[in-house]
Parts: sequence; structure tokens; C-alpha cells
Amino acid sequence: GQNIDQPTEMTATEGAIVQINCTYQTSGFNGLFWYQQHAGEAPTFLSYNVLDGLEEKGRFSSFLSRSKGYSYLLLKELQMKDSASYLCAVRGPDSWGKFQFGAGTQVVVTP
Amino acid sequence: EAGVAQSPRYKIIEKRQSVAFWCNPISGHATLYWYQQILGQGPKLLIQFQNNGVVDDSQLPKDRFSAERLKGVDSTLKIQPAKLEDSAVYLCASSSRGRGNTEAFFGQGTRLTVV
Repeated sequence: GQNIDQPTEMTATEGAIVQINCTYQTSGFNGLFWYQQHAGEAPTFLSYNVLDGLEEKGRFSSFLSRSKGYSYLLLKELQMKDSASYLCAVRGPDSWGKFQFGAGTQVVVTP
Repeated sequence: EAGVAQSPRYKIIEKRQSVAFWCNPISGHATLYWYQQILGQGPKLLIQFQNNGVVDDSQLPKDRFSAERLKGVDSTLKIQPAKLEDSAVYLCASSSRGRGNTEAFFGQGTRLTVV
């Protein structure tokens, strides 16, 4: 199975940059996903990494190092609407690709 | 395209009662997931279907939880009897296939309160 760790909470000011780390231990790996979840809402997909390196999508970037079992999500030019929980999820190697989620990192953006 | 539909949005029941949740995935999505999300935690996978077959139910409390996906489309998740610790949001998600970069799309969830 997978053991996925991420910090519980991070606070940053509007316009700043925040980096959310995620470490995982897995018996197999078929991709790492980041989701955003606003309070009371469903998770929405942000990014996907399966190969080592950086994937950039506008203000959001995600990095993966498979050998270290490590990923991070970088949020640039923070806006108030970025206040949310950010979930790291690992997809297993099974033929059916089970998603396992971390506990989530609550990001609080202050004025 | 229409997203994942779930109903009801909210449900309050007394302990030992039964409850059922319904999910209609995105059209054509073969993989369907049910997750339980307790406040302040990440989603926990309860059961995963590939078409109408179960491929993972290792974390489903089978003494009280059951799920089915008849005809490989809609799915229902049932709890009988409910316990206080079942209070959570139950999320349904679907994806077009079980591998690769196909993300899971989530429904709005059903918030269950057991009193």
C-alpha cells in the first residue's frame, strides 16, 4: 500500500509563493496527482506527474522525484481564492489504478 | 459534459438506522470509486468498481457497508446499521480508465450526520 505524508497547514500572504511537500512510500507507483478542495466542496484536479521533473500549469507547478518518493506543489502569486485544502494522491500500479490520498494540507492566504 | 451526480446532498439519521447514497458517474467512465472523507482528513477509498465488477473493497466495513453497480453505470452505497463514527462526507468519483494520467472526477458528495 501507500503511506502519504503532507503538512497539516500552511499560511502565506497574498502575492507570495507557497510550496506544499508530499512524501510517499509505496510498493508500486503509477502517477502522483494533486487536487484542490475548497471547504464543503468536491476535490478538483490540479496536476499529474508520472516522470521525474517539473510540470507547470499557469500559477501552479508540480514536481516529482520517484527515487526519493517526493513531490511538491508550488503555488505562485497567491490569491485569496487559493485558500483551500490541497490533497496529494498516489495512483497504484495495479491494473485498476487505485487512488490513495494524503490527509491534505490546509493553505490559508492572508491579505 | 455532465459531471458526477450524487444524491442526496445531506442526510441526518439516528444510529442503527440504514441509509443509501446514489451516484451517477460521467457517461462512459468505466471506473467508479466511493470514498469516505471525515472532517479534516483526506478521502479514504471504500470501494472501486471497474464496469460492474469490484476490483478493491479492502477498506469497506463489510459487516455494515455494501455497494453495487448494476449494469456498470449507476452505483449505490448502503450503510446498515449506521454508527456515530460513520458521520462523514461520502464522495463518488469516476475516471475513464484505471491507468495513466486519467484523473478522477468527483461528485459534490453526500454529507451524512449520524446522531
